Amino acid sequence: DVKVTQSSRYLVKRTGEKVFLECVQDMDHENMFWYRQDPGLGLRLIYFSYDVKMKEKGDIPEGYSVSREKKERFSLILESASTNQTSMYLCASLGRNYGYTFGSGTRLTVV
Amino acid sequence: AQSVAQPEDQVNVAEGNPLTVKCTYSVSGNPYLFWYVQYPNRGLQFLLKYITGDNLVKGSYGFEAEFNKSQTSFHLKKPSALVSDSALYFCAVSRASGGYQKVTFGTGTKLQVIP
Repeated sequence: DVKVTQSSRYLVKRTGEKVFLECVQDMDHENMFWYRQDPGLGLRLIYFSYDVKMKEKGDIPEGYSVSREKKERFSLILESASTNQTSMYLCASLGRNYGYTFGSGTRLTVV
Repeated sequence: AQSVAQPEDQVNVAEGNPLTVKCTYSVSGNPYLFWYVQYPNRGLQFLLKYITGDNLVKGSYGFEAEFNKSQTSFHLKKPSALVSDSALYFCAVSRASGGYQKVTFGTGTKLQVIP
């Protein structure tokens, strides 16, 4: 089975800190995604990547950046964390069966 | 723009009874449709998908969904609910294509199965 691993389940960061969320997949998938999940809003796409060093903005990229230096790793960066970025962050990869495989999520709290 | 509507924030059903979680969609062209389930403090797990072919799709854990093109719906069903089915369910749609197309998720429906 495909595994998508997010490095942290829970994170607490201070306002203004630079935050790195890491995601690794083990099935050689080209496409990887970062979503945030908020109650009542469902999942909203922040960024995605369809190949190494390639990235595309999703619906809510403001305040975020991403890095994909290796095929298996897709990092989400909060340049200067703010309280409105407190959320659940989900990483996913996409295989040829059209379905996403999601990581377990990182619940980020910015104080 | 494509969209997904899950009209019920929460569905309550007694254990052993049939369950339905509703989903309607809007997309240009033919759709790819998906259901995912999320247990507390976990990521989403893939349940089933409609890509083409038979309108009745069977998935994991005894769930099935019926694609209805005229009603633009893709309701999730199970003949007999279990307490362990209690979770958050997400419907998703993308435009049918050979390459990657943006996936839009609904806002989720919380399913509560009452013992």
